[in-house]
Amino acid sequence: QQQVKQSPQSLIVQKGGISIINCAYENTAFDYFPWYQQFPGKGPALLIAIRPDVSEKKEGRFTISFNKSAKQFSLHIMDSQPGDSATYFCAAKAGANNLFFGTGTRLTVIP
Amino acid sequence: NAGVTQTPKFRILKIGQSMTLQCAQDMNHNYMYWYRQDPGMGLKLIYYSVGAGITDKGEVPNGYNVSRSTTEDFPLRLELAAPSQTSVYFCASRAGTGGNEQFFGPGTRLTVL
Repeated sequence: QQQVKQSPQSLIVQKGGISIINCAYENTAFDYFPWYQQFPGKGPALLIAIRPDVSEKKEGRFTISFNKSAKQFSLHIMDSQPGDSATYFCAAKAGANNLFFGTGTRLTVIP
Repeated sequence: NAGVTQTPKFRILKIGQSMTLQCAQDMNHNYMYWYRQDPGMGLKLIYYSVGAGITDKGEVPNGYNVSRSTTEDFPLRLELAAPSQTSVYFCASRAGTGGNEQFFGPGTRLTVL
């Protein structure tokens, strides 16, 4: 059973556009929600993370929006650039427990 | 700081062969993890360790074994390779208390034929 459900599986966006990736979860004990970015041939790297006591966190062009009541969170990439083309994973964990990852979204930003 | 290193980068095994995937970190992290990544499936946790001498099963441990004799090293052992173990394997580490970020190695691409 997939603990964190991620959509879409793939996404194509024009340069300068907004990329939006969505994730949903059921376990209300989750208290840490990171997004990882993975370039081809590399391991994932932490991009941005949020805790459920805030509804939004922004770092540069990357924003996490968090809806606790709907048990959903999303990654928004503003002014998307070709260099943002990568696979993005959402994840969640509860306390000291292990991370559960979504299935990933392959983002392609076309010039 | 080399971070998390993994060897080999690529390997082809025949069914029934065994091998060890090596993982080392130089950040003095307590927690270490092994994941496998299959297309469209995300990252699945195989085994993890919270410190030297302590290991535990993750979501998909069957067919694998681990050991953690030092803080730095966390090797993953495949005893009888099967085609279902064809995957990309990632090792990761994190500090532990107060440190949520996991640092990943570059991965090992394993093919079992």
